[in-house]
Amino acid sequence: AQSVTQLDSQVPVFEEAPVELRCNYSSSVSVYLFWYVQYPNQGLQLLLKYLSGSTLVKGINGFEAEFNKSQTSFHLRKPSVHISDTAEYFCAVSDKYNFNKFYFGSGTKLNVKP
Amino acid sequence: DGGITQSPKYLFRKEGQNVTLSCEQNLNHDAMYWYRQDPGQGLRLIYYSQIVNDFQKGDIAEGYSVSREKKESFPLTVTSAQKNPTAFYLCASSEKQGKDTEAFFGQGTRLTVV
Repeated sequence: AQSVTQLDSQVPVFEEAPVELRCNYSSSVSVYLFWYVQYPNQGLQLLLKYLSGSTLVKGINGFEAEFNKSQTSFHLRKPSVHISDTAEYFCAVSDKYNFNKFYFGSGTKLNVKP
Repeated sequence: DGGITQSPKYLFRKEGQNVTLSCEQNLNHDAMYWYRQDPGQGLRLIYYSQIVNDFQKGDIAEGYSVSREKKESFPLTVTSAQKNPTAFYLCASSEKQGKDTEAFFGQGTRLTVV
């Protein structure tokens, strides 16, 4: 089974500052990688995904993530955050040969302060 | 609009009662999932189904049951055997193959035992 580690449970940041949310996964096989965002009492919304090709992936709301196979990481970044980015962010992995199973990290709460 | 509908949004259960959470999708997805979310623990897989009339236990299936009689429906029953059912429950679906490889989520059902 795969595991996904989100190293920070909470990240406080001031508005307009850059942010990086870290994600590492354990799988040694080829994987698909995802970042989701969750606002309070709502479902998860896809921010971006890595399937293949360029290791830098751009998503919605100005977020991007970089796939690093050697470090088994998929960190999420935004150069300038807004108050509205305050939410919980989940990293997820599925393997290319069994992509009906998704494995989620424990989540990172991003708190953007004015 | 295509999507996943979970109902009800809020549900209250007395101890010892069984309750059923509804999940319907009109995305024509083969695979459907139920996750449980508790604060600080991320998403834990309860059950998943890759095809009609077939489903598999996830990591925390004890005290839960499911059925998959129709492609678009995957109801979850929380039985009286589930010792701590108060949580946020999320239903998701995904393509078995094809370009839509991510999981799509409903808006969740918050279950509270009173």
